[in-house]
Amino acid sequence: SQELEQSPQSLIVQEGKNLTINCTSSKTLYGLYWYKQKYGEGLIFLMMLQKGGEEKSHEKITAKLDEKKQQSSLHITASQPSHAGIYLCGADPLNFNKFYFGSGTKLNVKP
Amino acid sequence: EAQVTQNPRYLITVTGKKLTVTCSQNMNHEYMSWYRQDPGLGLRQIYYSMNVEVTDKGDVPEGYKVSRKEKRNFPLILESPSPNQTSLYFCASRITSGAPNEQFFGPGTRLTVL
Repeated sequence: SQELEQSPQSLIVQEGKNLTINCTSSKTLYGLYWYKQKYGEGLIFLMMLQKGGEEKSHEKITAKLDEKKQQSSLHITASQPSHAGIYLCGADPLNFNKFYFGSGTKLNVKP
Repeated sequence: EAQVTQNPRYLITVTGKKLTVTCSQNMNHEYMSWYRQDPGLGLRQIYYSMNVEVTDKGDVPEGYKVSRKEKRNFPLILESPSPNQTSLYFCASRITSGAPNEQFFGPGTRLTVL
């Protein structure tokens, strides 16, 4: 199975600060997804990466997939309270049947 | 509106009383999947279906059944629920193209088994 390790498990930052969340895979990533979840609610799709070295941005959130396709990072610039929630990385295995999630990173942004 | 719907959203039941959580999507997606989310364990896949009449086990299938008789529906059945199945459940769907693509998630069903 594909294991995804996320770090840190939780993060508290002051509003306006930058932060980075990492997702490391035990195997090559064929599709890497970032989702955001408000506590106890549904998942909101943020971005999908599939090519080594790929980088995508949406508003103040940037995600990268390293060249070896075994690690991804999610970077938030100038964090705001609206960024608070749980960030989850997810991954496709080679044959795109099962799907795996990391354990999540809880983010709190203090005003 | 393209969406995945789940019912019920909240359910409190007792041990052993059979229940079904429904999941429906209106995007004509081939792939559908069920996950459970537990504190400290993240989201884990229970079952998935690549198309009608094609289902397979995920990582935590014990105690659950599924069926895929129609493309749009993928119900999750707990024949004899136990307290360790208390969890937040999500249904999801996506197209099957042999390439990465986004999964669309339902709003979740919070199940409590007493």
